[in-house]
Amino acid sequence: GAGVSQTPSNKVTEKGKYVELRCDPISGHTALYWYRQSLGQGPEFLIYFQGTGAADDSGLPNDRFFAVRPEGSVSTLKIQRTERGDSAVYLCASSLSGLGTEAFFGQGTRLTVV
Amino acid sequence: RKEVEQDPGPFNVPEGATVAFNCTYSNSASQSFFWYRQDCRKEPKLLMSVYSSGNEDGRFTAQLNRASQYISLLIRDSKLSDSATYLCGSFGNQFYFGTGTSLTVIP
Repeated sequence: GAGVSQTPSNKVTEKGKYVELRCDPISGHTALYWYRQSLGQGPEFLIYFQGTGAADDSGLPNDRFFAVRPEGSVSTLKIQRTERGDSAVYLCASSLSGLGTEAFFGQGTRLTVV
Repeated sequence: RKEVEQDPGPFNVPEGATVAFNCTYSNSASQSFFWYRQDCRKEPKLLMSVYSSGNEDGRFTAQLNRASQYISLLIRDSKLSDSATYLCGSFGNQFYFGTGTSLTVIP
C-alpha cells in the first residue's frame, strides 16, 4: 500500500518568500506529525495532529510557522517570510492512532532558503 | 533537558561485533518506545518497537527499563549493511526522537 507522501521533495526559495509543504499520510491514519531535521541532528518535533485538530503545536518555532489539516487527511505546513535558518529537511509522519502506535515517515521535503 | 537523549557516537565496530546503544527519556508517562534506522539523506524507517518484556528480531534485541527510564538496542554479529544512524523515539503526549547514534561497521 501507499506510504506517507510528501511534496515537493525539494524546494528552493528566496529569503522572505512564503512556502507550503504538503503531506499525504497513510490512508486511515488519524495521527500526523511534522518534524524538522537539520544535518547531524534528530527529528525536531514541530506539531502533532489528531484528526483535524492540532493536539500539540508546542514545537512550532515562531508565528511564521503554521500547519493545517482541514479534512483530517492531507496536511500542509506553511512558512511565511522564510529565513535562511529555516533550511532543513521537513519530515512528516503518520500513525494509525495517537496512542503511541508506530509512526511511519515520508521521504521529506528538503527546503533551502537562499 | 531534551525529552530523549542519545549518545551521538560515532560507533565504529568491526564486522561480527556486538554493539549496544542506550537512550534515556525524561517523561515518566511515556507509553511507547521505538527504534528507527536512518540512512544518509533518507527518512527514518521503523526498526522495531520496544516492549516492557523486551523483544528480539533476528540479530536485534530491544529492551526497556522503566525504572531508570532508558531503552536499549543490541545488535549482534554486525553486518556492513547495519551502518546507519539509529534513532530512538518515545511517545508520551507526542513522538519525540533523540539525535541519533551513528554506527559504522568496518570490514
